[in-house]
Amino acid sequence: GENVEQHPSTLSVQEGDSAVIKCTYSDSASNYFPWYKQELGKGPQLIIDIRSNVGEKKDQRIAVTLNKTAKHFSLHITETQPEDSAVYFCAATPPGGYQKVTFGTGTKLQVIP
Amino acid sequence: GAGVSQSPSNKVTEKGKDVELRCDPISGHTALYWYRQRLGQGLEFLIYFQGNSAPDKSGLPSDRFSAERTGESVSTLTIQRTQQEDSAVYLCASSWRGQARTEAFFGQGTRLTVV
Repeated sequence: GENVEQHPSTLSVQEGDSAVIKCTYSDSASNYFPWYKQELGKGPQLIIDIRSNVGEKKDQRIAVTLNKTAKHFSLHITETQPEDSAVYFCAATPPGGYQKVTFGTGTKLQVIP
Repeated sequence: GAGVSQSPSNKVTEKGKDVELRCDPISGHTALYWYRQRLGQGLEFLIYFQGNSAPDKSGLPSDRFSAERTGESVSTLTIQRTQQEDSAVYLCASSWRGQARTEAFFGQGTRLTVV
């Protein structure tokens, strides 16, 4: 089955700086890679996703890159703000109708004002 | 409904008691997941239901844990003879395996405290 590793487990940045979270996956067939943000006391929510036919995707201050050859993908947050403080999870999904999503272990991001 | 609904939101139980947690997925979602999240930790996969296929129970930590799902609707996660180490937030998510995307939508979770 799929195995997803995520680094770092915790990350502190100054407000306005950039934050990068990295994930690797094991199943080369995986073709869908969502990122989730979990705020305190809430369930994770999708913030951005990328498919294997795309190398990069941006949405305002958030971007995700995918390197299929190396089987790794990253989340980039620019101009961080205190409200970006949360736990972020990456995930990978193989193709097919009955494959489950596999999540990384999470990164706790703290943006220091 | 508008989203994934979990009940109760909080549950305090005595060690050794059984508990039942409920998840109402988004209508039409064929896939349903249960995860456990200990304080400050990541998502620990427990069980996965997809349509009428046999569930993937590979994440259940012991035979005290079981889950059921009726068709493509409500699911219940049962923990028998609860232990203190079962204290955690139990998250449910549902998704639809359509052609376009497979986004999983999470509920708010049930915070279980075993005393």
